[in-house]
Formats: sequence, structure tokens, C-alpha cells
Amino acid sequence: DTEVTQTPKHLVMGMTNKKSLKCEQHMGHRAMYWYKQKAKKPPELMFVYSYEKLSINESVPSRFSPECPNSSLLNLHLHALQPEDSALYLCASSQEVRGGFRDQPQHFGDGTRLSIL
Amino acid sequence: AQTVTQSQPEMSVQEAETVTLSCTYDTSESNYYLFWYKQPPSRQMILVIRQEAYKQQNATENRFSVNFQKAAKSFSLKISDSQLGDTAMYFCAFDNNNDMRFGAGTRLTVKP
Repeated sequence: DTEVTQTPKHLVMGMTNKKSLKCEQHMGHRAMYWYKQKAKKPPELMFVYSYEKLSINESVPSRFSPECPNSSLLNLHLHALQPEDSALYLCASSQEVRGGFRDQPQHFGDGTRLSIL
Repeated sequence: AQTVTQSQPEMSVQEAETVTLSCTYDTSESNYYLFWYKQPPSRQMILVIRQEAYKQQNATENRFSVNFQKAAKSFSLKISDSQLGDTAMYFCAFDNNNDMRFGAGTRLTVKP
């Protein structure tokens, strides 16, 4: 069982739809991440939230809009996606140490497999 | 920019044997973390082992151990007594201040 919960597990949507991916953790972690993983490829970092504030945006298109409503939740809002956006979207979390070097690894969820028609 | 290279796209090993997966990385940082993650077909990324760059002692975790050569920027994973459940994609990862970069992965198959 994973301690990071992602919903839904599968999502099929058209290019004109609006949907959201959700991620939840109750480990008290203050850093949360979104990754995109294409088939047979490594995960690619999209966004990093630290203490509910966006700290890294890896030049992701605006059709992906992250949101961190509180320290336990991370959303990824999707709008007007393209077929090439079909992928596995992984959420992760880790402890965060202000002013110090982080000592904890990232814990991953099972991912949401997204298919764009 | 940090880069992580895994030069072995696929490997196989007989059950109960030992296998070593290679990883090299490039960075100008002095403090960082290195990880090996396992991703079975169930797709969840599972942490196998981690190494702090400032520690010279190689990390071990039961049947898993690393050979960390900081000067050579090498971080290989040794799996001893391989089990069928070790079959998975293995990713080497470099992390500096929340910016995690993964290698391309090595697909390991453990054969009965």
C-alpha cells in the first residue's frame, strides 16, 4: 500500500475537456511533486511545491495548472490537452527542512494513467 | 545541469545470483543525494536505497548495496540473491534540493 494516494487511477478525456488529478498524503510532508512519465521512459519533473508554494515549474505548458490547497493535497488541473500529453502522472511527497539539507527520499503514489483522445 | 546515465537498458540474472546495475552522473554540486528506485509493472516507484554524497560509507539495505565512487561520479547497485520479485525497471536518481533527475532506467529480469 502506498502512503501517497492518487485519484483517479485511470482517466480518458477529450482534448476539450477539463479534468483534475488529485494527490493526497498524510505523512506530514511539506514538499510535493508532479511528474510525467511516458512509456519506457523515466519520470520527468513538472512541478515542486514547498510549504504549499510553487518552488519549481519545469517550463510546463499552461494547459497544466497545479494547485496546492493545503499541506496534504496537491491537484493538477488539466485543460485543452493534446494527444502527446497521454502519460502516467506521478505524485510524490517528501519531508522538507527549512534552511537545511533535506534528508528524506520522495514517496511516490501509484500514478494516474491519462489518455487523451 | 545534472545528468544521470544508465548505460544498460536491459539486464537479466538467474534467481539467487548477483547482479550489478551501473549508474553515472554529472554535477558540480558537492552535497546531494543519490537513489535507486524500482518500478515494477504495478507502476509504483519504490525506493530501494539511498546514499548521501558526504558519506563515504556505501549504503546497504538487506540484499541491496551500492558502490558509491564520488570522484568517479559512479553509483552502482548490487542485488544479491536475486528473487523473482526483483523483476522491475530500476531507475538511478540524483537529487539536489528537491530537483530530482532520473536516469533512463535499466529493465531487470530475474529468471527462475
